[in-house]
Amino acid sequence: EAQVTQNPRYLITVTGKKLTVTCSQNMNHEYMSWYRQDPGLGLRQIYYSMNVEVTDKGDVPEGYKVSRKEKRNFPLILESPSPNQTSLYFCASSLWPNEETQYFGPGTRLLVL
Amino acid sequence: GESVGLHLPTLSVQEGDNSIINCAYSNSASDYFIWYKQESGKGPQFIIDIRSNMDKRQGQRVTVLLNKTVKHLSLQIAATQPGDSAVYFCAEKIGYGQNFVFGPGTRLSVLP
Repeated sequence: EAQVTQNPRYLITVTGKKLTVTCSQNMNHEYMSWYRQDPGLGLRQIYYSMNVEVTDKGDVPEGYKVSRKEKRNFPLILESPSPNQTSLYFCASSLWPNEETQYFGPGTRLLVL
Repeated sequence: GESVGLHLPTLSVQEGDNSIINCAYSNSASDYFIWYKQESGKGPQFIIDIRSNMDKRQGQRVTVLLNKTVKHLSLQIAATQPGDSAVYFCAEKIGYGQNFVFGPGTRLSVLP
């Protein structure tokens, strides 16, 4: 089954404790992206990657890091989480940057205390 | 700055009626638009898209209309069903590489 998976689905952590949210897709997609979703603000892009070792900032990259060492994986790293990073995070992938259909993962709900 | 917004944050319709969800965008250079559906506890799901060289595109029970003159996008759902209850987002693509900008969403509630 074609899918985007994220882990963990739910995470509670404390300020300053490094964490990683994993994202994996099994569709051999070139393009992957991370979004955060907050009430009233919709989805905002954090980082995206157009291929292995190629990443770029989205609209809200501050406080986040990503890496793309393999085509299928695109982890999101919070080196020193802060309460304003409490949010719902989605990973997405598509075949090519201009390919219309982005497949979204199920989401990771993060609470930073 | 550029933005994608929605006229109505909530919309309630009777089952069987048609639904219309609206979206305004501000960047006249945007060339591609998508509507997504997000059910509770799930990620957004692609519904339909339209490119800027088109005015209308139809899918199964859904139609997207694009009015570039007034920078307006709408999603029409025919014969709305309970399973259509969800939050609907419009998104525009700005430039090469998928830097999408999403609107805040409209919640559609289908009444029995």
